[in-house]
Amino acid sequence: LAKTTQPISMDSYEGQEVNITCSHNNIATNDYITWYQQFPSQGPRFIIQGYKTKVTNEVASLFIPADRKSSTLSLPRVSLSDTAVYYCLVGYNNNDMRFGAGTRLTVKP
Amino acid sequence: NAGVTQTPKFQVLKTGQSMTLQCAQDMNHEYMSWYRQDPGMGLRLIHYSVGAGITDQGEVPNGYNVSRSTTEDFPLRLLSAAPSQTSVYFCASTSGASGGLLSSYEQYFGPGTRLTVT
Repeated sequence: LAKTTQPISMDSYEGQEVNITCSHNNIATNDYITWYQQFPSQGPRFIIQGYKTKVTNEVASLFIPADRKSSTLSLPRVSLSDTAVYYCLVGYNNNDMRFGAGTRLTVKP
Repeated sequence: NAGVTQTPKFQVLKTGQSMTLQCAQDMNHEYMSWYRQDPGMGLRLIHYSVGAGITDQGEVPNGYNVSRSTTEDFPLRLLSAAPSQTSVYFCASTSGASGGLLSSYEQYFGPGTRLTVT
């Protein structure tokens, strides 16, 4: 059964590193793991994507273990403007794709 | 470039009414898709298209129709609205240049349409 699971919410303080994990047991062999950020009253926005090991860009890192059954989005030194909902998207066999329910990150001063 | 645009921003319908949600993109993307977003459930794929004249069903297609006559436009039709279709609807597009899974590409989302069915 295709299911993408992530924590409902997380709290952090400015300047801390935040790690959000997504579980995806039956990911398709040839698919990527993609993370999106969404602010209130806006559409989701692409953050980062990876297939295996580690990917880093100017805003985040993505860690994917060898079995690819989970992935971890890492946000270094968060600020108040990182308060948002973060979604994990994974593809499964038969061209099925599922977003997680989203993790609401609240960054406090 | 305007990116992905959606109209209207808000809509209230009575049960049984029909309407069309409009979506347009100016990035010459081949892939377009429609999602609905409900509290606690993330985004769920309704229908998608990999090019003009080609559409397919996603996870929750019942009650919705789509067509793709041009690369730019991908309207979503509700033929007989039901309260269960109250949701926020997002349209997205992506290049899909390699012909792979829709989820493998960076998708560009529109600002959404908030629909209420009473």
